[in-house]
Amino acid sequence: QKEVEQDPGPLSVPEGAIVSLNCTYSNSAFQYFMWYRQYSRKGPELLMYTYSSGNKEDGRFTAQVDKSSKYISLFIRDSQPSDSATYLCAMSRYYGQNFVFGPGTRLSVLP
Amino acid sequence: NAGVMQNPRHLVRRRGQEARLRCSPMKGHSHVYWYRQLPEEGLKFMVYLQKENIIDESGMPKERFSAEFPKEGPSILRIQQVVRGDSAAYFCASSPGTGEMNTEAFFGQGTRLTVV
Repeated sequence: QKEVEQDPGPLSVPEGAIVSLNCTYSNSAFQYFMWYRQYSRKGPELLMYTYSSGNKEDGRFTAQVDKSSKYISLFIRDSQPSDSATYLCAMSRYYGQNFVFGPGTRLSVLP
Repeated sequence: NAGVMQNPRHLVRRRGQEARLRCSPMKGHSHVYWYRQLPEEGLKFMVYLQKENIIDESGMPKERFSAEFPKEGPSILRIQQVVRGDSAAYFCASSPGTGEMNTEAFFGQGTRLTVV
């Protein structure tokens, strides 16, 4: 079993839809959770960062962490074609440790 | 406020040559991470460094690969005697490393290494 699992997609949605992206993980020691967006042939761009459980909202993006279920989510409201990219979840056990990435979900938002 | 700077963006090497990849972290960041991304695969951790110290190199191949982050200057990922399987995108990330909450990492644009 991989340490971090993520549906690779591709996920296609119409413009304006609410997108739900998810990761599951096996290591209950993870405490720091991040979502990155990566456009083709570019570096990952940090979208959201969450420590421990709970919700965090930033504009059209909402990140949720459920440590009891070992499940994290990223919601994108009013999705736009410019949101078409690969979305990577990443997590680490404690401060200063390296990050473990999921394989990424490819999202296409169709105009 | 410059982000994480990596150079070169593209690097072509013949088998057996050496590849040197450079990473300048964001201003004020003292932690550097190197990741490798193969086509259609996720990011794989290689090494985590602070100034003049290797903190975690558990993801580094045992041979031919080395990394440093000197007191002055950029972090360097060095691959000796490159082989075709080393062809990948190599990404560097940096984080502030000060305080428990300041652990988010920001990535550079990567160096795409092609071994011919």
